[in-house]
Amino acid sequence: QIQLVQSGPELKKPGESVKISCKASGYTFTDYAMHWVKQAPGKGLKWMGWINTYTGKPTYADDFKGRFVFSLEASASTANLQISNLKNEDTATYFCARSPTMAPFAYWGQGTLVTVSS
Amino acid sequence: DIVLTQSPATLSVTPGESVSLSCRASQGISTSIHWYQQKSNESPRLLIKYASQSISGIPSRFSGSGSGTDFTLSINRVESEDFSVYYCQQSYSLPRTFGGGTKLELK
Repeated sequence: QIQLVQSGPELKKPGESVKISCKASGYTFTDYAMHWVKQAPGKGLKWMGWINTYTGKPTYADDFKGRFVFSLEASASTANLQISNLKNEDTATYFCARSPTMAPFAYWGQGTLVTVSS
Repeated sequence: DIVLTQSPATLSVTPGESVSLSCRASQGISTSIHWYQQKSNESPRLLIKYASQSISGIPSRFSGSGSGTDFTLSINRVESEDFSVYYCQQSYSLPRTFGGGTKLELK
């Protein structure tokens, strides 16, 4: 069956970096785009952008340009999200989600909680 | 960017009632709207795609309607497991925006 399994929770200090992974299984990894979604505590869902798993080209929403990097380890069917120079407002659960281009997100990872605190 | 406005923010109901949740887009998006349910500490789950298309495994009490700028998610006879937050999302254009959510709570 199709699964997206994300890495575990992270506790970081401001200014540090974090890398979250999303390992896909049950389908051909390069056939579907991978999206990233942020959910701050008690808040709604915010789309961060997506990565073309065939070409490796990332696209970032405006609020996520600069400190956020989407990458792939295609041989391991894994998508990664790296956040550098962490700020308190980066404290959130980050989800990966699979979707064909411009289609709904039918499959989601379980989410990774990143806590940024001094 | 396309802004999605969901209303109401909170809806208090008793089990057995039927409800309608609204999602309004800031510009016409045809039927490129999708609905998700998110229970506490869980990932969102796709309920309805392209405004009114059903999803395998989702109970038939969930249905969607609308086109253009106004969309509705209907739940026929709410059950206890339905109390959660509902989000709409558009796939008409980038960025792929979500609505702010409607919390369905027990009255």
